[in-house]
Amino acid sequence: DTAVSQTPKYLVTQMGNDKSIKCEQNLGHDTMYWYKQDSKKFLKIMFSYNNKELIINETVPNRFSPKSPDKAHLNLHINSLELGDSAVYFCASSQEGDGGGYTFGSGTRLTVV
Amino acid sequence: AQSVTQLGSHVSVSEGALVLLRCNYSSSVPPYLFWYVQYPNQGLQLLLKYTSAATLVKGINGFEAEFKKSETSFHLTKPSAHMSDAAEYFCAVSDRGAGNMLTFGGGTRLMVKP
Repeated sequence: DTAVSQTPKYLVTQMGNDKSIKCEQNLGHDTMYWYKQDSKKFLKIMFSYNNKELIINETVPNRFSPKSPDKAHLNLHINSLELGDSAVYFCASSQEGDGGGYTFGSGTRLTVV
Repeated sequence: AQSVTQLGSHVSVSEGALVLLRCNYSSSVPPYLFWYVQYPNQGLQLLLKYTSAATLVKGINGFEAEFKKSETSFHLTKPSAHMSDAAEYFCAVSDRGAGNMLTFGGGTRLMVKP
């Protein structure tokens, strides 16, 4: 049973398209995150949701919009994709009060051509 | 504000040699600190974490790290490297606040030579 699952694993799309990445966790955690890992492996937080409420919204273009229908799901929608959006996007979850350890998904490699 | 610096983006050791990956942090509150490992084309896996209990923390795969407040360091060590340890390693600090945000260092690629 995968604890944090992301789909799709790979996504190749053209500039200007709109795409979504889905994330689901079955750990019962109350907080979920999206991180972006660039080509130099640098990880930067994008969003954090706690029980479906947006907690952290870092400086991210408005083209990126997270949606959390329930506390087990956090999806990421990206409008008008640009070349610079190419990266690996990781979903993660954690339980408040357990010392902060995250469980990560296996990532979605987005390539914009 | 919090930050993490990992000294050395690449570290190469021989199989059986000591592994030492360096991490220094900056935090305005007593930190929670973490080490994660990332194998190629995979997500990050938690190796170990420090949450203000014992300063020497043991993790999976024979790794351990020591929290040194005076040096603001949390270096990762393993007495004897194995080929399977070759991966990218990330140190991270938590703000322990709302959202429990982790700030990651830039990562260190560990290479193990036979």
